[in-house]
Amino acid sequence: EAGVTQFPSHSVIEKGQTVTLRCDPISGHDNLYWYRRVMGKEIKFLLHFVKESKQDESGMPNNRFLAERTGGTYSTLKVQPAELEDSGVYFCASSQDRGQLNEKLFFGSGTQLSVL
Amino acid sequence: AQSVTQPDIHITVSEGASLELRCNYSYGATPYLFWYVQSPGQGLQLLLKYFSGDTLVQGIKGFEAEFKRSQSSFNLRKPSVHWSDAAEYFCAVGVDTGGFKTIFGAGTRLFVKA
Repeated sequence: EAGVTQFPSHSVIEKGQTVTLRCDPISGHDNLYWYRRVMGKEIKFLLHFVKESKQDESGMPNNRFLAERTGGTYSTLKVQPAELEDSGVYFCASSQDRGQLNEKLFFGSGTQLSVL
Repeated sequence: AQSVTQPDIHITVSEGASLELRCNYSYGATPYLFWYVQSPGQGLQLLLKYFSGDTLVQGIKGFEAEFKRSQSSFNLRKPSVHWSDAAEYFCAVGVDTGGFKTIFGAGTRLFVKA
C-alpha cells in the first residue's frame, strides 16, 4: 500500500514568487492535515480537510496561504506571494478515522521550502 | 492553552545504554498522547499512543512510555538503544478545540554513539 506522498521534496524560491505543494494521502483516507515546522521548532497545525471540506483552518498563518482538496483526493497548498518567514518543512498527514482524538496519523516525508 | 514541551533539544547516548526522552503537556481534559519518530528522509511514524487504561504503554521498536497524570508527563523509554534509533522524536497530544487536531512538541534529536 502506498503511503502519503508529497511533492516536491524540496523547493527553493525567491521572495514574492508562488509555490504549490502537493499531497497525495493514502487511498481511502478522508482526513487530510497540513502541518509546518519552522527552523527546528514545533510542528504546527495548519488545517484539516474531511474529504473536500475544510474542517478546521485555524492554523493557517494568513491569506497568502490557500489549501484545496478538490474531489476529496489529493490536496494542494499554495503560497502566494512567498515571504522569507514561510521557509520550513511542510508536512501532510492523513488518517482513516473520523477525526477522533486517538486517531493515528500517517505522515508524508515533507516538503522543505526555502524562500530566499 | 494546549502545549507540549520537550525540554531536551538533543540527547546523545551510547549504543546499548538506556534512553529516556522527556515530555510534558498542558491540556485541561483527558489527554490523548502520542510519540512519533522521524528518521532522516522519512515522514513521522507513530511509535505508541495512550488514551486510556494502563499508564505504561508499549510501542514498536522496543519503546515504551509512561503516562503520569500528576506530573503531566509522558516520557519515552527504551532499555537498550541501537544505532538505528538515531532520529528525531516528537511527543504530541490530541486536543479537541471544536475540531480535532494534534499538537506537537519541538522534538528531541537522538544521537547514538558507538
